[in-house]
Amino acid sequence: EDKVVQSPLSLVVHEGDTVTLNCSYEVTNFRSLLWYKQEKKAPTFLFMLTSSGIEKKSGRLSSILDKKELFSILNITATQTGDSAVYLCAVGIVNTDKLIFGTGTRLQVFP
Amino acid sequence: GAVVSQHPSWVICKSGTSVKIECRSLDFQATTMFWYRQFPKQSLMLMATSNEGSKATYEQGVEKDKFLINHASLTLSTLTVTSAHPEDSSFYICSASQGGNTIYFGEGSWLTVV
Repeated sequence: EDKVVQSPLSLVVHEGDTVTLNCSYEVTNFRSLLWYKQEKKAPTFLFMLTSSGIEKKSGRLSSILDKKELFSILNITATQTGDSAVYLCAVGIVNTDKLIFGTGTRLQVFP
Repeated sequence: GAVVSQHPSWVICKSGTSVKIECRSLDFQATTMFWYRQFPKQSLMLMATSNEGSKATYEQGVEKDKFLINHASLTLSTLTVTSAHPEDSSFYICSASQGGNTIYFGEGSWLTVV
């Protein structure tokens, strides 16, 4: 059975801290791994990773994929209160647009 | 850019009634849409794949007679929760693909069954 697991489940930090969120997967027919940020409603897209070892970066956020070890990390540096959200990892399956979501990591950033 | 619209954003209904949620791709055609359900503090769970012009494909454990999906056109999929009960109260969200790896989510619909 396809499975995506995220850790930690929740994280509480102070502004300015750096956090690393983890995502591991066991999926047949892997196509891509995606990271989303969910605040109150629909998830908003952050990154899509398809190749191992290539870091994707957007401002203070970065992510990398290891297809050999079947995991990805999402880093957020110099966290801000606006980073407080649930971060979702999802795996895309070959020949379909179906996504298998992980459990999510709830990040709370306090001033 | 491409947008997926969901309606209603929130709905309250009485137990035993049916509720319909619409998912529209506003400026692109989507042969496939997906319906997810999210309970409080849990992740998104795929319920079914909605295929234009054919029957939906349901994930294991999802009752197809309870969650009716119709994908009558290339821009519209509907999810009907039939004979809703309080345990069906959840956040329902759809997604659609424009092709390739580009997936767009609707804004989601909060359903509360009282």
